[in-house]
Amino acid sequence: AQKITQTQPGMFVQEKEAVTLDCTYDTSDPSYGLFWYKQPSSGEMIFLIYQGSYDQQNATEGRYSLNFQKARKSANLVISASQLGDSAMYFCAMREYTDKLIFGTGTRLQVFP
Amino acid sequence: DTAVSQTPKYLVTQMGNDKSIKCEQNLGHDTMYWYKQDSKKFLKIMFSYNNKELIINETVPNRFSPKSPDKAHLNLHINSLELGDSAVYFCASSQAGGLFETQYFGPGTRLLVL
Repeated sequence: AQKITQTQPGMFVQEKEAVTLDCTYDTSDPSYGLFWYKQPSSGEMIFLIYQGSYDQQNATEGRYSLNFQKARKSANLVISASQLGDSAMYFCAMREYTDKLIFGTGTRLQVFP
Repeated sequence: DTAVSQTPKYLVTQMGNDKSIKCEQNLGHDTMYWYKQDSKKFLKIMFSYNNKELIINETVPNRFSPKSPDKAHLNLHINSLELGDSAVYFCASSQAGGLFETQYFGPGTRLLVL
């Protein structure tokens, strides 16, 4: 079974608008971490934001926020005030009891003027 | 200063050759990883090392051998390269290998096997 599911292969958003990238996860472990990474066309993997399973508040980092709904097992990334430089692949990932990150298939975001 | 660095950035080679990719981190982290990103952009862990000790060894052909001379370095050696090994290989590191520790990635090495 897929541990991390990103159902949107591609998304378009206009500059300055907000966009939500979906991520659902599957685990029976009460302790886990959820991460979002950005991969621009240049190829590097850039860490954006983290949410722990015990965190009560949604994580925020600048224009990025993570909409964490534990009961629904979803960890959507919200990007506010989109910029052209936000065009990239976005990966959701989870870490359970092992050291490894399990990644979703990614969502390609295109920001247009 | 680069936190996690990899060399080379690009690697083009013939089938059957042996090649190495080097990774270094200057973050003082205890744990280092190798991930493979295939042509469909799917990322999957290959190995992890904590303080030079192998922790994770996913189902990877034994032609791939990681080596960690010290906790700041994790190299990947690949024997008898095959066409299917063409991919982007990412090195990453994190502190202490805990659930809540962020993994920071290197820039990737794009391997093309002809």
